[in-house]
Amino acid sequence: DIVMTQSPDSLAVSLGERATINCTSSQSVLYSSNNKYYLAWYQHKPGQPPKLLIYWASTRQSGVPDRFSGSGSGTEFTLTISSLQAEDVAVYYCHQYHSTPRTFGQGTRVEIK
Amino acid sequence: QVQLQESGPGLVKPSETLALTCTVSGGSISPFYWSWIRQPPGKGLEWIGHIYYSGSTNVSPSLESRVTISVDTSKNQLSLKLNSLTAADTAVYYCARGGLQFASWGQGILVTVSS
Repeated sequence: DIVMTQSPDSLAVSLGERATINCTSSQSVLYSSNNKYYLAWYQHKPGQPPKLLIYWASTRQSGVPDRFSGSGSGTEFTLTISSLQAEDVAVYYCHQYHSTPRTFGQGTRVEIK
Repeated sequence: QVQLQESGPGLVKPSETLALTCTVSGGSISPFYWSWIRQPPGKGLEWIGHIYYSGSTNVSPSLESRVTISVDTSKNQLSLKLNSLTAADTAVYYCARGGLQFASWGQGILVTVSS
């Protein structure tokens, strides 16, 4: 199984400041045949289903604010919220869909400082 | 806009079998993959497995011996059966469209395993 490890487990950021979440995969999630990273990011708020933010490591899902961005290569990936808003308080998960079983990171809780 | 809705019992007894249904509206089951994902209370997301509209499945090895995923294209539904339940199976169960990234999810259903 590909193990996804996120850091930190939680972080508190002031409104308007940048939040950065890291995700490391235990194996490559790159398919060389199409040069795509099979990595997604989700936002999960209590009482709601997870919401897809980013896929292919850096493609923003339709309707997702552009303050959310994904980057990375190799086995190291980052989700950045460029200017934290109150509505961004949530748990964020990275997810690999390169191999089965599909696996998720343990989650990173983002709060307002 | 496709909508997914999970249904089934909220409380099941240990050793029994859980049967959940996900009804898809606003779109067709075909030609997509459909997935089941769960989240135990206070824990992270766990992928259970997925099914192609044609019926081919891929299930997590950790649950493979206890899980059956099926699809009924005539009803636009997919189903999950999980047998030999224990308290560790207590979770919110989600269905989602897709076998790669998951853009559409049901609201989830909390299933508690308790006598």
